[in-house]
Amino acid sequence: GDSVTQMEGPVTLSEEAFLTINCTYTATGYPSLFWYVQYPGEGLQLLLKATKADDKGSNKGFEATYRKETTSFHLEKGSVQVSDSAVYFCALKSNTGNQFYFGTGTSLTVIP
Amino acid sequence: DTGVSQDPRHKITKRGQNVTFRCDPISEHNRLYWYRQTLGQGPEFLTYFQNEAQLEKSRLLSDRFSAERPKGSFSTLEIQRTEQGDSAMYLCASMVIRRVPGELFFGEGSRLTVL
Repeated sequence: GDSVTQMEGPVTLSEEAFLTINCTYTATGYPSLFWYVQYPGEGLQLLLKATKADDKGSNKGFEATYRKETTSFHLEKGSVQVSDSAVYFCALKSNTGNQFYFGTGTSLTVIP
Repeated sequence: DTGVSQDPRHKITKRGQNVTFRCDPISEHNRLYWYRQTLGQGPEFLTYFQNEAQLEKSRLLSDRFSAERPKGSFSTLEIQRTEQGDSAMYLCASMVIRRVPGELFFGEGSRLTVL
């Protein structure tokens, strides 16, 4: 079945460091891919998405590129801030169903 | 506030009791999902509604769980004869159906603790 495998955390970085959180997926067909973020005390919210191969989603300085050949959707940011401290979830939605499948989440802490 | 709201935010109950959670989605959203999240895990799909119709249920959803969405507006998730393994965060999310997959809007969750 469809699934998402996400880099284990927690991740601790210094402010202005480069961030990569790995995500790979298993799905039939051509899923849509998402990154959701959960800030402390808040609900999950969409960070960015990509709906077809080679699409790049971007928002708030974060980017992820839909790579069908490697079945990956890695999240990157060139310079993290303390306010980026949160839990990040990779997710997919199959084009043959209406479920969203989430990874286990990666906790990021950015220290000044 | 026009986001997804869930009630109660936290419920503590004794094993064997019944509990009910309510979700009020964003008003124009026609699809509503329930997820369960345990510590260190991502959200796990339980069920979803399109308007008032429950279209899919996960195998995780035992016969002690029931969900409704009367009139296609708010939804309730009831757990009967709770067990300690039911302790989790129950998340509700809603969305608008589009040709291009839209985003899920999540509530802040209802945390269940079964003693």
